[in-house]
Amino acid sequence: KAGVTQTPRYLIKTRGQQVTLSCSPISGHRSVSWYQQTPGQGLQFLFEYFSETQRNKGNFPGRFSGRQFSNSRSEMNVSTLELGDSALYLCASSLESAGRDGYTFGSGTRLTVV
Amino acid sequence: SQQGEEDPQALSIQEGENATMNCSYKTSINNLQWYRQNSGRGLVHLILIRSNEREKHSGRLRVTLDTSKKSSSLLITASRAADTASYFCATDTYNTDKLIFGTGTRLQVFP
Repeated sequence: KAGVTQTPRYLIKTRGQQVTLSCSPISGHRSVSWYQQTPGQGLQFLFEYFSETQRNKGNFPGRFSGRQFSNSRSEMNVSTLELGDSALYLCASSLESAGRDGYTFGSGTRLTVV
Repeated sequence: SQQGEEDPQALSIQEGENATMNCSYKTSINNLQWYRQNSGRGLVHLILIRSNEREKHSGRLRVTLDTSKKSSSLLITASRAADTASYFCATDTYNTDKLIFGTGTRLQVFP
């Protein structure tokens, strides 16, 4: 079966711009979670969507938002980009909420803000 | 703050040797999971151990869990160069309703 697909793989944006990242989960998985990974902070939880509802949110500013569609595909948006938003953004899907049965991760989107 | 802390931060061994990584956490858990990440890629789920289990095996992997010490270890036996990666523990706790990842151990296996 197809894995978790994240697009695009790489992105370069300028400070102040906004960006939208996309994630297609494994077929049948209703939970999609997003993580930000940086060398300094490690893997930080952004938010989780389950059946189109945001179930949980990490400690990130309101510039970070997301949504989930009826087909479970998810998008995350970052507005007014800052240099510190440069990171690897990882999407993960699971059957159960909060990855309790184990996450399947996508390959990530590498965002560079210049 | 991180729920899980891996130890050591980095580990270098020769092919054929065993690699042991440890994870300590702070609060009671439902389960603990181990993941591998090759450089700059997504994480791969390796093994899940529930709070009522003490040991679990999967191929060359052995995971132990000691809830009294709030710690887990991942043992990779007969390591290969392809095992070179970062390894993370992740905890599912009763009160956070999300999977929280530790800081990771970078494993380098030399041929």
